[in-house]
Amino acid sequence: DQQVKQNSPSLSVQEGRISILNCDYTNSMFDYFLWYKKYPAEGPTFLISISSIKDKNEDGRFTVFLNKSAKHLSLHIVPSQPGDSAVYFCAASTSGSARQLTFGSGTQLTVLP
Amino acid sequence: DAGVIQSPRHEVTEMGQEVTLRCKPISGHDYLFWYRQTMMRGLELLIYFNNNVPIDDSGMPEDRFSAKMPNASFSTLKIQPSEPRDSAVYFCASSPILAGSTDTQYFGPGTRLTVL
Repeated sequence: DQQVKQNSPSLSVQEGRISILNCDYTNSMFDYFLWYKKYPAEGPTFLISISSIKDKNEDGRFTVFLNKSAKHLSLHIVPSQPGDSAVYFCAASTSGSARQLTFGSGTQLTVLP
Repeated sequence: DAGVIQSPRHEVTEMGQEVTLRCKPISGHDYLFWYRQTMMRGLELLIYFNNNVPIDDSGMPEDRFSAKMPNASFSTLKIQPSEPRDSAVYFCASSPILAGSTDTQYFGPGTRLTVL
């Protein structure tokens, strides 16, 4: 039973365009959400997070949106760059912190030059 | 800071052998996590420690798996005996005190384990 789902295993976008990665969750107790980026042969690296008391958090080219009623979050990357090509994982926690994270299965983003 | 250090980076062993994976967390971090990544199950939390004490090991799949943290700078994940289905990438992560909305975990590069 996957509590955090990333239904798109892959996504391709042109350089300069917007990338939108989606994540759905089923556990209404989740109150803290994170996005990680992972390059091959490396561990995941933190990208951006959002608390359930917010519906948007922005950091440079990266914005995370949270829709609690739909149990849905998305990561927007604008503009997309070839270096953004990686696997993106969303993760969620019920503790209000980054303890005991439940991860989605990941989405491979490819940004085409 | 060197980040989270894991060794070995790759391990190939035969079924039935004991495997020990090692992790050195970032200095000063209070939390240490062990994860396993497989194609079927994705990235799943196995166990985590707070101040060297195991807090939640509910993700450890079987008694064949054990984890220790004898001090703040070292942890091991042991599989004895190993089986082919244990083949996966094992990640260690650490974090400073987890208290709110700016938290994250810092991951090591992982150990790719292959059990033949």
